[in-house]
Formats: sequence, C-alpha cells, structure tokens
Amino acid sequence: QLQLEESGPGVVTPSETLSLTCIVSGASVGSLHWSWIRQSPGRGLEWIGVLQSSGSPNYNPSLKGRASLSVDTSKNHFSLNLTSVTAADTAVYFCAAILGSGNYNWFDPWGQGTLVTVSS
Amino acid sequence: DIQMTQSPPSLSASVGDRVTITCRASQNIAKYLNWYQQKPGKAPTLLIYSASTLQSGVPSRFSGSGSGTDFTLTINSLQPDDFATYFCQQCFSTLYTFGQGTKLEIK
Repeated sequence: QLQLEESGPGVVTPSETLSLTCIVSGASVGSLHWSWIRQSPGRGLEWIGVLQSSGSPNYNPSLKGRASLSVDTSKNHFSLNLTSVTAADTAVYFCAAILGSGNYNWFDPWGQGTLVTVSS
Repeated sequence: DIQMTQSPPSLSASVGDRVTITCRASQNIAKYLNWYQQKPGKAPTLLIYSASTLQSGVPSRFSGSGSGTDFTLTINSLQPDDFATYFCQQCFSTLYTFGQGTKLEIK
C-alpha cells in the first residue's frame, strides 16, 4: 500500500528557505510522479509543483521561481525547497502521488500534511 | 490559470438527505475533473476522478457528472461520516487548480 509522510521544521524564519521531505513507502520513488500542495485559510488548496518519474520538475508560476523539487532514490524520498519565505507561505504542506494516465490524473494518496509557520 | 468555482460555499443537511455540490470551470476542461473529501485535520482523499469514475472503496451513494465547464457531485442518502469539506480539482491543465471547497454541515 502506497503511503507518504512529510517531515520538516514546523517554524521557518522569514527570508529563509523552507525544506520539507516526503518519505515514500509501498512504491519506488522513481516509478511515479509526485507533487507538493499547500493549504491555507486565505489561499485554499494551492498546487506547488510536480516531479515526474523522469526527474523533470514543473512548478506553479505563482511561486515566482522560489520552489524546487528533487528526488533521492537511495532514500526513497522527494523534497521541496521554497526560498525567501514570507508569512504568506504559512500553510499546511502536503505531498501526494499523481496517478492516472495521460492528462487524466489525480492526487492519491496524500501525506497527512505538516504545518509550517513562517515567523521570527 | 483555470479558475474553479464551487457552490455553495457551505451547505446544511440532515442524515438521509440528497445533496448536490456544483463546480464550474473558467474554460472547457472536458472531463478532466476530480473530487476530494477532506475532514478536519486530515488530508484530502480522492472520491471521483475523470468527472464520474468512483474511486475504489468509495461508497456508491457518491456520484459525479458533467463535462465542459459544469460539474456536480451528488451524495445520496447522507451518512454521518459524509459531513466534511469537498473540493473539485481540474487536471486539463498541468497548472492544477482547486475549487475553494464546499463545507457540508449537519443541520
């Protein structure tokens, strides 16, 4: 059974880099596409980016180049770095697998989510 | 970006009721539409994909319909476990976007 679990600091200082890891169990991280999604009261659910099984990433332009996704096949996990954070980046961050075929794809399953607060 | 607009933002209903939630896309997305359920403090879970295909394990009282710009999620005979927030999400564009959610509350 495919399961995901996020890990990372719960508090990040403004202007610093937010770094989160998603540990994958039940599948090889190189076999599927993966995404990060965040949720906040003001912005709702916001897709951050996707890391394709080929390792090629694609990002939401709204993040203005601050996001980067990477994969570590030796540890079977993938990661998110978000630079120059502000209070607006405070949110619950979820990792998720992308399943389906062609453009018919969906997020399933999701990790349990981790709250990240940007504060000094 | 493709904007997804859900209505209503919240809905009160009773156990046994039939409810319908609407999702409208800002452009034609064919059937590239998914529905999720989220309970407080939990991650969303997939209910329906490709507008009308029920995810494995999801009760048959849930159904989805629509294509183009207008979609509906229907829950027949509401159960206590169904009171949650529901989101639609489009995958027509790989700049994935979600609706703002519909909170289903017990009347």
